[in-house]
Amino acid sequence: EVQLVESGGGLVKPGGSLRLSCAASGFTFSSHSMNWVRQAPGKGLEWVSSITSSSTYIYSADSIKGRFTVSRDSAKNSLYLQMNSLRAEDTAVYYCARGRTPGIGAGGAFDLWGQGTTVTVSS
Amino acid sequence: SYVLTQPPSGSVAPGQTASISCGGNNIGSRSVLWYQQKPGQAPVLVIYYDNARPSGIPQRFSGSNSGNTATLTISRVEAGDEADYYCQVWDTDSDQWLFGGGTKLTVL
Repeated sequence: EVQLVESGGGLVKPGGSLRLSCAASGFTFSSHSMNWVRQAPGKGLEWVSSITSSSTYIYSADSIKGRFTVSRDSAKNSLYLQMNSLRAEDTAVYYCARGRTPGIGAGGAFDLWGQGTTVTVSS
Repeated sequence: SYVLTQPPSGSVAPGQTASISCGGNNIGSRSVLWYQQKPGQAPVLVIYYDNARPSGIPQRFSGSNSGNTATLTISRVEAGDEADYYCQVWDTDSDQWLFGGGTKLTVL
């Protein structure tokens, strides 16, 4: 079955760290760019970060630059998001999404999404 | 920075046509994507490259893009189309993906 399954969410104190994982199955992981998108409670979608199929290019939202790092491991068919210096405003459901293409850009629509993992930043 | 503007809400009667707009400066020069998100579910891609439909998306869903407005059109609306809809573009100036604020479509 073609799917993405996120894990690693939870409750963390402000200033803390968390590492999210996304396990891909049912498709050739190394042929697709990958993305993280988040959604705060009751709010809209916010793009977080994207990585090309070969990890050559990484792009990130200004709101998380310097704090979050995206990476991938094709041997494990997995995508990761290392989140440091977490803030209350990072509280959200974090979705992993597959890009249609190996590269990032207009053609790289997010054509497969996981069900999300919830991150809560609170003292 | 580039901004995508969507109306917060809209409504349509079953069987009628719904049009959801996404405004942006000269958005017609960009490729627009559209996603559908039902309550408690992950988003689903319904339109890419302005008007292309992924496999499995009904022909009732179509898109257009010109000037300063992109539009998602849903024909013969069904109760199951009630959802939040988001537009998205890749901003080459900032090398970032941008989402519109979303439109909640209510089927009366």
